[in-house]
Amino acid sequence: ETGVTQTPRHLVMGMTNKKSLKCEQHLGHNAMYWYKQSAKKPLELMFVYNFKEQTENNSVPSRFSPECPNSSHLFLHLHTLQPEDSALYLCASSRGTATDTQYFGPGTRLTVL
Amino acid sequence: DAKTTQPPSMDCAEGRAANLPCNHSTISGNEYVYWYRQIHSQGPQYIIHGLKNNETNEMASLIITEDRKSSTLILPHATLRDTAVYYCIVRESNFGNEKLTFGTGTRLTIIP
Repeated sequence: ETGVTQTPRHLVMGMTNKKSLKCEQHLGHNAMYWYKQSAKKPLELMFVYNFKEQTENNSVPSRFSPECPNSSHLFLHLHTLQPEDSALYLCASSRGTATDTQYFGPGTRLTVL
Repeated sequence: DAKTTQPPSMDCAEGRAANLPCNHSTISGNEYVYWYRQIHSQGPQYIIHGLKNNETNEMASLIITEDRKSSTLILPHATLRDTAVYYCIVRESNFGNEKLTFGTGTRLTIIP
């Protein structure tokens, strides 16, 4: 238990669906991150939020829309996804950015049909 | 791109020390060495990090060579639950470099 929770743990959706992934951290951290891990590929950073402000968008398609209403919560809204978007989506948080250690949640396993 | 090189896989007998090597020959003076592990289909778990001194915590020890071009993660008494993919990452200390750039890691299998 790292203090970072993600829901749902598993999600199956069609290409026309709209769904959201939720991440919550109970560590008092100020920075939150979304990563994507596709099969047999390294983790890829998607978005970074620091004090609720987005500080990095790593060329992510607009069908992925992040939202950070406060420092403890991070959402990833999904719309019109493709089958190749099927992956493990991981949330992480850290006290700040720079060299502060990132702590990861358990991930959401997403399957797009 | 990941700036580290690790063997793709290793085996270790249960109860023995597991020594996982990592080469980072292009590391610069302000870059830290981080180790994470990922048990199948779970989120990565932070293990340890260091700059130039050897470090030890309740999970592992990190030995960094004097020239900082390589390091070794040591799990002193490996258990079956240590079976995972272990990632060695170098990370700048400059503000604005929030990325952890994961490579392909070392798949460690603990043998009963």
